[in-house]
Amino acid sequence: EVQLVESGGDLVKPGGSLRLSCEVSGFTFSIFNMNWVRQAPGKGLEWVSFISYSSSSKYYADSVKGRFTISRDNAKKSLYLQMDSLRADDTAVYYCARVNGDFEPQIDYWGQGILVTVAS
Amino acid sequence: SYDLTQTLSVSVALGQTATITCGGDNIESKNVHWYQQKPGQAPVLVIYRDNNRPSGIPERFSGSNSGNTATLTISRAQAGDEAEYYCQVWDTSASVVFGGGTKVTVL
Repeated sequence: EVQLVESGGDLVKPGGSLRLSCEVSGFTFSIFNMNWVRQAPGKGLEWVSFISYSSSSKYYADSVKGRFTISRDNAKKSLYLQMDSLRADDTAVYYCARVNGDFEPQIDYWGQGILVTVAS
Repeated sequence: SYDLTQTLSVSVALGQTATITCGGDNIESKNVHWYQQKPGQAPVLVIYRDNNRPSGIPERFSGSNSGNTATLTISRAQAGDEAEYYCQVWDTSASVVFGGGTKVTVL
């Protein structure tokens, strides 16, 4: 059974930092690309970042570029999101999501999400 | 950047057909994926690459993509289909784009 479990969410002050983790099981993590997607309270889905299976390609939404860093450790079957210079509008549930397919692929599995709250 | 436009809400009578649209410039040239999200839950993939259903998704869910509009159709709507539905594509800048979401209410 495919499972993605996020951790690391917390209440943090504006300007602070946080590192999210996503531990996966039930599939060969090292051959799949991964995304982070977030959802602000009462709002729609917003893509945050993408990382290829080998970490050779990384992409970011303009809203987080220069502040967030995506990474992975295939040996630990884990995906990470380092979030720096956090702002109130970064408050959201963050989902770890598996990408499946070659050309314009779909997200076929999602974690349960983890809440990040940025407030003073 | 590429924009996707979805109707805010759709109502459908129990057992009838719901049609959810996703508008984008020449969207027919892109692979469109659809996700269902119920309150307090993570999204679930219901249609991928325009018209393909993942295993476990009922045949009542179908998709199409033509011109500037992609469509998700829910036939014989059930109470359990009440949810927010999002379309998604990839932008040419290698970024993921989601539509704003459509809330489906089954009456």
